[in-house]
Amino acid sequence: GDSVTQMEGPVTLSEEAFLTINCTYTATGYPSLFWYVQYPGEGLQLLLKATKADDKGSNKGFEATYRKETTSFHLEKGSVQVSDSAVYFCALRSSGGSYIPTFGRGTSLIVHP
Amino acid sequence: KAGVTQTPRYLIKTRGQQVTLSCSPISGHRSVSWYQQTPGQGLQFLFEYFSETQRNKGNFPGRFSGRQFSNSRSEMNVSTLELGDSALYLCASTPTWGFPDTQYFGPGTRLTVL
Repeated sequence: GDSVTQMEGPVTLSEEAFLTINCTYTATGYPSLFWYVQYPGEGLQLLLKATKADDKGSNKGFEATYRKETTSFHLEKGSVQVSDSAVYFCALRSSGGSYIPTFGRGTSLIVHP
Repeated sequence: KAGVTQTPRYLIKTRGQQVTLSCSPISGHRSVSWYQQTPGQGLQFLFEYFSETQRNKGNFPGRFSGRQFSNSRSEMNVSTLELGDSALYLCASTPTWGFPDTQYFGPGTRLTVL
């Protein structure tokens, strides 16, 4: 079945540091890939997405590239802010059969001033 | 446009009891999905409702059930609560069923089972 594996957290960084959160997946066909963000006390919000190989999703300074050869969709940001502190979820939606999305376990990011 | 609302936000129950959670989708959205979020398992899909019909179901026991009303509001029910049911329950709405790209999530209901 489909699966998403994210790096364990928490990830702790100082403000303006470079961020990478690793995400790899297992799926048949050509899934769509997503990053969601959950701020404290809130529901998940879609951060960015990519629907085919080599697509780059980007939003709010975050970006991720759909790498089919390495089955990865790593999230990056060049300079994090305290306000980026949240839990980040990688997810996929298969291209065939069930469209039920599969989520990773989430990675907590803590950014210190 | 109002977002997805969930009530109540917090709930404390004891083992063996049952609980009902409510979700009101964004106006015009007809699909509601439910998820269970725990630290150990992350986000797991429970079920999806569209036009008062369950369209998809995750791998949860029959103690977990749901329904959707004609106004698209949805409820989920958990009977015979177990300690392991303690979790954040999220609902998400979309205009149509089948998980189009963007789901809009509510803030969740935090259920604690003692």
